[in-house]
Amino acid sequence: QVQLQESGPGLVKPSETLSLTCRVSGDSISNHYWNWIRQPAGKGLEWIGRIYITGRPEYNPSLESRVTMSLDTSKNQFSLNLSFVTAADTAIYYCARNVGDWYLYSFDIWGQGTMVTVSP
Amino acid sequence: EIEMTQTPLSSAVTLGQPASISCRSSQSLVHSSGHTYLSWLHQRPGQPPRLLIYKVSNRFSGVPDRFSGSGAGTDFTLKISRVEAEDVGIYYCMQATHFPPFTFGQGTKLEIK
Repeated sequence: QVQLQESGPGLVKPSETLSLTCRVSGDSISNHYWNWIRQPAGKGLEWIGRIYITGRPEYNPSLESRVTMSLDTSKNQFSLNLSFVTAADTAIYYCARNVGDWYLYSFDIWGQGTMVTVSP
Repeated sequence: EIEMTQTPLSSAVTLGQPASISCRSSQSLVHSSGHTYLSWLHQRPGQPPRLLIYKVSNRFSGVPDRFSGSGAGTDFTLKISRVEAEDVGIYYCMQATHFPPFTFGQGTKLEIK
């Protein structure tokens, strides 16, 4: 059974960098594309970016200047860094696995999410 | 970026009755491959979303057959033939045709009347 678990600080100060990790169990991180998606409280979903074992990560153009994603195959996990955060970055952050055939069309496995608040 | 617009934003349905949610995209979601990458997800309170329908009308593994999807081009519909208590929550449509980015509708909240 594939499981994803997000971890990281629940509180980040404005202008600092938000750093989260998603640990993958039950599957090799080398086999799929892995994503970060966020959801402000009471609001909808926003895709942040995705990463694969090869190639460059792909980011939402709206966040691209502040986002960095990386993979750690030795720990079977992947990470998100979001720099220069503001209150608008306060949200639940989910990691999720892409699903598809030859084209990746959605997400089939999600972590439970981790709440990150940006506040002084 | 493709905008996804859902209607209604909320709906209250009696148990056992049908429910319908519409989703409209700002551009056609027909991919150059000929496939249409529109999916539906369901989020129960306090839970992450889960995939229900992919490529307009295909039920994902384990999804009950009371859920069905239809549509083409820019207009899509999710139908629940007989609403059950576990169906409450928020439903999102999502497009993958014009990636990046993946984009979602604003969500439709389904409640029991």
